Amino acid sequence: DIQMTQSPSTLSASVGDRVTITCRTSQSISRWLAWYQQRPGKAPKVLIYEVSTLQSGVPSRFSGSGSGAEFTLTISSLQPDDFATYYCQQYDTYPWTFGQGTKVEIK
Amino acid sequence: QITLKESGPTLVKPTQTLTLTCTFSGFSLSTSGVGVGWIRQPPGKALEWLALIYWDDDERYSPSLRSRLTITKDTSKNQVVLTMTNMAPVDTATYYCAHRYCSTTSCSEVFDYWGQGTLVTVSS
Repeated sequence: DIQMTQSPSTLSASVGDRVTITCRTSQSISRWLAWYQQRPGKAPKVLIYEVSTLQSGVPSRFSGSGSGAEFTLTISSLQPDDFATYYCQQYDTYPWTFGQGTKVEIK
Repeated sequence: QITLKESGPTLVKPTQTLTLTCTFSGFSLSTSGVGVGWIRQPPGKALEWLALIYWDDDERYSPSLRSRLTITKDTSKNQVVLTMTNMAPVDTATYYCAHRYCSTTSCSEVFDYWGQGTLVTVSS
């Protein structure tokens, strides 16, 4: 299985901050990486797929980049709604796997 | 509008078999490319993909759980059923069903619509 490692596990930030979350995979996955946001008690919501394609309706302050085995999710200006946990997922190779999550907390 | 909803027992005993039903609307599992998957999340922990069934009856399973899982579909009822045998306390989790994403040109194993999830507790 492809292992997914997110960093940091927890991130404390303030409204307006630029935030970057990293996802590393145990092998190259080309462009088949997605990011999800999960608020407490809610189902995950896909933000980005194919590394950098924004899902319809997702604010443009979210962006994704990377290639090979290292990827990043960036929130350009953190908003109150963005305090949540973020997961990366690879869908290059079956079985599809998720990272362990990055919790973005209020500083 | 695509919606999915999970249903099933909230409490099962160790060694029992869990049966969860995903009832969906807004799409058909007979349409080319469409798939429905199951993902679980133990309390306070990460997401874990379990199984996925496609429009053409192809099935994929998490290798680590393959021997315990079965996924089926009933296209006429717009339902997908997941069964998991020999349940144990470590299987306590919120179980989600989710729709496989398809653009106008292709589909991929990204999940764009999710059910609300159902918490299943395994305890005697």
